[in-house]
Amino acid sequence: DSGVTQTPKHLITATGQRVTLRCSPRSGDLSVYWYQQSLDQGLQFLIQYYNGEERAKGNILERFSAQQFPDLHSELNLSSLELGDSALYFCASSPGAGLTDTQYFGPGTRLTVL
Amino acid sequence: AQSVTQPDIHITVSEGASLELRCNYSYGATPYLFWYVQSPGQGLQLLLKYFSGDTLVQGIKGFEAEFKRSQSSFNLRKPSVHWSDAAEYFCAGYMNYGGATNKLIFGTGTLLAVQP
Repeated sequence: DSGVTQTPKHLITATGQRVTLRCSPRSGDLSVYWYQQSLDQGLQFLIQYYNGEERAKGNILERFSAQQFPDLHSELNLSSLELGDSALYFCASSPGAGLTDTQYFGPGTRLTVL
Repeated sequence: AQSVTQPDIHITVSEGASLELRCNYSYGATPYLFWYVQSPGQGLQLLLKYFSGDTLVQGIKGFEAEFKRSQSSFNLRKPSVHWSDAAEYFCAGYMNYGGATNKLIFGTGTLLAVQP
């Protein structure tokens, strides 16, 4: 158990809908990272927040957005969902924002878009 | 383009045999390199990481990796594989994408099967 929690574990929804994925980092960690893992794209970095501020951006679509709240939990919002958005979404956390920080991964949220 | 490549999609080894998983990177400087393991239905767990210094890095669960600048490689090794090592292994590198943008780039993964 990494100490990172993600809810829900599974999510099934329809095309065009909007969903919110939630992540609670390990106690004391200030950074939260979001990743998407799909069969065709592999594991891709989406976005990083550090202490409430956006720190780095990866291959995140404009239909997706994220935020980190004062209590440091984070939410990833996915809108206008398409079949291709079906994937496993991981959240990770680390103590700081530095490159040498180890990231601790949550168990993931499996999103299925029908 | 900056990238991390794992040439082997799937590897099968016998229990007790040695293991080497390959990882190559393409980057103008030395990236920070990592190996992660993902067991079925689980998130990723860090096995080891390399930033600088000694090129042979020891990790958890008996794994080690060797950084070879001349070959742009960071191969993962284990002298004797256990059935519980069956999982997917990801090599990753932290690379600078300009300005303050650094991100972790993952290879496509190597799925390890262990035969009894």
